[in-house]
Amino acid sequence: EVQLVESGGGLVQPGGSLRLSCEASGFSFSNFYMTWVRQAPGKGLEWVANIRKDASAQYYADSLKGRFTISRDNAKNSLYLEMNSLKVDDTAVYYCARGFGIDYWGQGTLVTVSS
Amino acid sequence: DIVMTQSPDSLAVSLGERATINCKSSQSLLSRSDNKNYLAWHQQKPGQPPKVVIFWASTRESGVPDRFSASGSGTDFTLTISSLQAEDVAVYYCQQYYSVPITFGQGTRLEIK
Repeated sequence: EVQLVESGGGLVQPGGSLRLSCEASGFSFSNFYMTWVRQAPGKGLEWVANIRKDASAQYYADSLKGRFTISRDNAKNSLYLEMNSLKVDDTAVYYCARGFGIDYWGQGTLVTVSS
Repeated sequence: DIVMTQSPDSLAVSLGERATINCKSSQSLLSRSDNKNYLAWHQQKPGQPPKVVIFWASTRESGVPDRFSASGSGTDFTLTISSLQAEDVAVYYCQQYYSVPITFGQGTRLEIK
């Protein structure tokens, strides 16, 4: 069974940093592109970033470039999202998802940016 | 960026009746190399993460009831629920994966009339 389990969310002050993790199981992690998508409270889905199977390339939403970094460790079956200079508008549930055409979603982890 | 526009924004349908949601992309999602449309439909029930119901524009995900169907090609796509059940209440999103950035429609909220 494919499972994606996010962790690392929480309350952070504006300007702060957080590192999200996603532990994958039930499939060959190194064979798939991975994706982060976020959803602000009461809003729709917003793509954050993608990373290739071998981490040779990463893609980011223009609005987030320079502040967020996606990475992966195929030996640990894990995906990460390093978030810096956080803003109130970054408050959202962050989902880890498999693939470009997403076929599995994690349960999400809530990031709240507030003073 | 490819803009995805869904219609309507919300929809109320009686139990057992048909529900139809439309999605239009600003560019064609049909790949000439493999003749596939790079479009998925996701269902998000209240308080839950999204779940894919359709991929390649018309292929039902395993385990999705056959009352869900989808069609379309190029820039115009449709998701149809043939006989609405109470458990189908959700927000539905179309998503293109033809090119980066991946983009989603704004969502269509489906409710029971």
